[in-house]
Amino acid sequence: NAGVTQTPKFQVLKTGQSMTLQCAQDMNHNSMYWYRQDPGMGLRLIYYSASEGTTDKGEVPNGYNVSRLNKREFSLRLESAAPSQTSVYFCASSGGQYSNQPQHFGDGTRLSIL
Amino acid sequence: AQKVTQAQTEISVVEKEDVTLDCVYETRDTTYYLFWYKQPPSGELVFLIRRNSFDEQNEISGRYSWNFQKSTSSFNFTITASQVVDSAVYFCALSEEVLGGGADGLTFGKGTHLIIQP
Repeated sequence: NAGVTQTPKFQVLKTGQSMTLQCAQDMNHNSMYWYRQDPGMGLRLIYYSASEGTTDKGEVPNGYNVSRLNKREFSLRLESAAPSQTSVYFCASSGGQYSNQPQHFGDGTRLSIL
Repeated sequence: AQKVTQAQTEISVVEKEDVTLDCVYETRDTTYYLFWYKQPPSGELVFLIRRNSFDEQNEISGRYSWNFQKSTSSFNFTITASQVVDSAVYFCALSEEVLGGGADGLTFGKGTHLIIQP
């Protein structure tokens, strides 16, 4: 029972490089999310997808793009990585169609931008 | 705009002591949902509890209990007889109801780092 799977777990990039973080869930959830966690800042929402075919900006979307490929997969892309994007990235999903559902998180991707 | 404040950055207690983690929230909505998550040193986020804004009943689960008070906009978390395994960062989070359905993500507090010393 995998739940939410994120790849890769670790990545080091140089400034200006691009990469895509992958996320897949096997719980048939409608909604998926991307957060970043920085020391002392808690988790902040980057983008979310309330249902397949829709995506919306969260609190800190600048420098990122997302794709809801299908119901299972939600990817996060950094087009031109910057040191300020060094962070731990978490993908999450939630079932049902309302905001009262708990979110289930992946194990995170630790990303360092040099 | 919604906001969650966890004023306690770090708490350190000796094993078997009781400890309360504070959470204060701000929202303009009348329907909202509050959550607590645990992040152990291994880094994953573990869901602990959800509370609806229209249900002010306190809840107890083993050594864990939660006190929800709308009058003070607080949703505090108490661990009774703490254990070393309770050492973790604990996050309080809020979501507001989306008109017409759907979900738009959680607003997290900055977390409280709880250290239980043996």
